[in-house]
Amino acid sequence: QVQLVQSGAEVKKPGASVKVSCKASGYTFTGYYMHWVRQAPGQGLEWMGRINPNSGGTNYAQKFQGRVTMTRDTSISTAYMELSRLRSDDTAVYYCAREENYCTGDYWGQGTLVTVSS
Amino acid sequence: QSALTQPRSVSGSPGQSVTISCTGTSSDVGGYNYVSWYQQHPGKAPKLMIYDVSKRPSGVPDRFSGSKSGNTASLTISGLQAEDEADYYCCSYAGSYTPLVFGTGTKVTVL
Repeated sequence: QVQLVQSGAEVKKPGASVKVSCKASGYTFTGYYMHWVRQAPGQGLEWMGRINPNSGGTNYAQKFQGRVTMTRDTSISTAYMELSRLRSDDTAVYYCAREENYCTGDYWGQGTLVTVSS
Repeated sequence: QSALTQPRSVSGSPGQSVTISCTGTSSDVGGYNYVSWYQQHPGKAPKLMIYDVSKRPSGVPDRFSGSKSGNTASLTISGLQAEDEADYYCCSYAGSYTPLVFGTGTKVTVL
């Protein structure tokens, strides 16, 4: 069965970077785009970007351009999202989601809470 | 790319129907037949309920239906049940550069 398992919660100081992993299993990792979506406390879903695990090609939301980097390691079927120059308003749950088709995230990770606090 | 506009909240009694709107532009909702709807319970990951405007994934009750007219998509929940109380988000494809945009979210309350 398809599973996306994310890395554990993180606490970071302002200005630091965080790297969240998303390990995929149960399907061909290179066959589906992987998206990253975040949700601040009490707020809505916010799309951050996506990666094509086959080519490594990425699209990032304009808001995160220059601060986010999405990569993958096909040998271990894992996608990564690194966010740099963290601020307090980056405190959120970060999700990875497999894209079956446009805007169709059929499988989601369990979420990773990133807390940015001094 | 601005978030799609949804009502903040809707409510209904058990057995009733509720409809949630999702308004965008001709660059997203109106331009493509790629609108999805997600249900999210507190502390849980979003769950896909509708994709490609009106298709239901396997396992989603047929009480959930989707439609679109112009720049506005809609999700209708018929025969409302207690377990339908959750937040709902629409999502639309918005072109190859910024592939998707979410709605602002709607809280559904079962009275």
